[in-house]
Amino acid sequence: IQMTQSPSSLSASVGDRVTITCRASQSINTYLNWYQQKPGKAPELLIYTTSSLQTGVPSRFSGSGSGTDFTLTISSLQPADFATYYCQQSYRTPYTFGQGTKLQIK
Amino acid sequence: EVQLVESGGALVQPGRSLTLSCVASGFNFDGFAMHWVRQAPGKGLEWVSGISWNSANMGFAASVKGRFSISRDNAKNSLYLQMSDLRAEDMGIYYCAKISTRFYDSSGYFDSWGQGTLVTVSS
Repeated sequence: IQMTQSPSSLSASVGDRVTITCRASQSINTYLNWYQQKPGKAPELLIYTTSSLQTGVPSRFSGSGSGTDFTLTISSLQPADFATYYCQQSYRTPYTFGQGTKLQIK
Repeated sequence: EVQLVESGGALVQPGRSLTLSCVASGFNFDGFAMHWVRQAPGKGLEWVSGISWNSANMGFAASVKGRFSISRDNAKNSLYLQMSDLRAEDMGIYYCAKISTRFYDSSGYFDSWGQGTLVTVSS
């Protein structure tokens, strides 16, 4: 299953509302997870099963979608949010990730 | 607190072998499947392999099938990745990741990651 994220990179300002899209090459129900990775660090789970917020993740992060189209939304960007974001399907192995979206400061 | 600590990364020549280890703490290791995910320099994440809680089931990415094997020792809270016939395209950071399910292919999510260990393949 191929996962395609858009955009690949994004420039935004603190306080902006940002949406990242992830599309699966076939239906994956709601088995879609989102991770945040900062430079030199391991990825961290943000959202699992499309819309469930991992413990400790701020409520400004949210996820939605089903089938083949999914979104990650950050309601009001904070300085700590500038990172690379990956979607990942867990519908079927081999588990696959999107290519990543690098969120940069404008 | 869940901790995953990888080790074993090194500079190796093409065609050689290497074994990575991951020691887990802070959770019931034998209650969860475990996985390896890698990241080539400057690139995205790629799932490599997973193993169920009791080692009965395991899976591999097509790119490593037949060259890599995965194992675990629940008594030692440890996960291993045995890599053979290493190629330049195997180079990168290898992360050990805990998944939320007992079986490696049960649609879970990677809820804890180690800091990674670097594998460099070069002559």
